[in-house]
Amino acid sequence: SQQGEEDPQALSIQEGENATMNCSYKTSINNLQWYRQNSGRGLVHLILIRSNEREKHSGRLRVTLDTSKKSSSLLITASRAADTASYFCATALGAGSYQLTFGKGTKLSVIP
Amino acid sequence: EAGVAQSPRYKIIEKRQSVAFWCNPISGHATLYWYQQILGQGPKLLIQFQNNGVVDDSQLPKDRFSAERLKGVDSTLKIQPAKLEDSAVYLCASSARDRLINEQFFGPGTRLTVL
Repeated sequence: SQQGEEDPQALSIQEGENATMNCSYKTSINNLQWYRQNSGRGLVHLILIRSNEREKHSGRLRVTLDTSKKSSSLLITASRAADTASYFCATALGAGSYQLTFGKGTKLSVIP
Repeated sequence: EAGVAQSPRYKIIEKRQSVAFWCNPISGHATLYWYQQILGQGPKLLIQFQNNGVVDDSQLPKDRFSAERLKGVDSTLKIQPAKLEDSAVYLCASSARDRLINEQFFGPGTRLTVL
């Protein structure tokens, strides 16, 4: 079963704008990860946030995690056409668990 | 470092035929995963190997799917016989054995079409 649910399912923005995607999950987690998938590079890991962290940055990416609400958000600032892709959140349940459960993804289109 | 390799990239078969996919993980990665990704959905884990042992195959349809990882390196996933609903992209991923970080590295996938 898919634990994470991304919202919105699809998002279309102009180049230079910010894009925000949300993920909700159902059970307690050890960490949450965001992945990007496009036809050119396949599925690529973007960022990992642990359950004891609230916010993390990586370049133009900002991830937040609210474990009380069982939700996370991914913000992409100053979007580029190359950011066009599907974005998935994936949850890892236990410290010793290497398994990820993926959501259905948000399809982002960045219009030049 | 070289990434996860998969072959073939595309495969078209008729229902009830058999098919096999191959995966070579990143060198030194002990953990290997096979995922099924149906169009419009996220990847779903089919089976996880730790070295050459199966850790979890609870979502693998064992009546038609089988997988092995000989010598703890390469892996093959087989479907026999295929059904229409098996049309999907089959992704292989690997990760290093590390208790703190379980980032997974994915291969390009094999797109299977069952007619």
